[in-house]
Amino acid sequence: QSVLAQPPSVSGAPGQTITISCTGGDSNIGAGYDVQWYQQLPGTAPKVLIYDNTNRPSGVPDRFSGSKSGASASLALTGLHAEDEADYYCQSFDYKLFAFVFGAGTKVTVL
Amino acid sequence: QVQLQESGPGLVRPAETLSLTCTVSGDSISSKSWSWVRQPPGKGLESIGFLHYSGDIRYNPSLKSRLTISVDTSKNQLSLQLTSVTAADTAVYYCTKLLGAGWDYRSDPWGQGILITVSS
Repeated sequence: QSVLAQPPSVSGAPGQTITISCTGGDSNIGAGYDVQWYQQLPGTAPKVLIYDNTNRPSGVPDRFSGSKSGASASLALTGLHAEDEADYYCQSFDYKLFAFVFGAGTKVTVL
Repeated sequence: QVQLQESGPGLVRPAETLSLTCTVSGDSISSKSWSWVRQPPGKGLESIGFLHYSGDIRYNPSLKSRLTISVDTSKNQLSLQLTSVTAADTAVYYCTKLLGAGWDYRSDPWGQGILITVSS
């Protein structure tokens, strides 16, 4: 069982907006550690989509956005595109485990 | 541009030791932070352990008794050894560079990954 909880799947039609939640606890996100989001396309290595809760690396479209509140974080995809079909993972640091922790991942399907 | 390349045996027998190497190009491995992440087939990502730029090495508590992470600065390589492997260790293993500050690190970039199968 993952330390960070994510919904297993989220779907939406092209052009719609979807959000993926990531819920942690008082030893990770709730303790103030930042949340990173990764996108993993089929058969490829993950890549950073959002870092430090809200920042996008260069080259990531601005229709991807992140937010954090308390012990939870969210990734929003606005104007959904077919190429957004992928698995999305949140990640943070847990001071009790003294380890980086990932959510179980959310599969995004574009209808 | 930093590039990471994992290498290893592909197939490991149960109860044996898995040894992997990550060769870093385009950057010095010294004074930087690096990590290993694995992903069982069809499942999610699991952080295995990391090397902090301070020299501190930390392991996933569930693997700590079987795991060793080391660095060879002369070869610019990061290594992983996992002893007494079982089928549950079958996964794609990734090495990553860690960027960030404090303990707010992100893995960027990632190697392409190597599939390790544990089977007799």
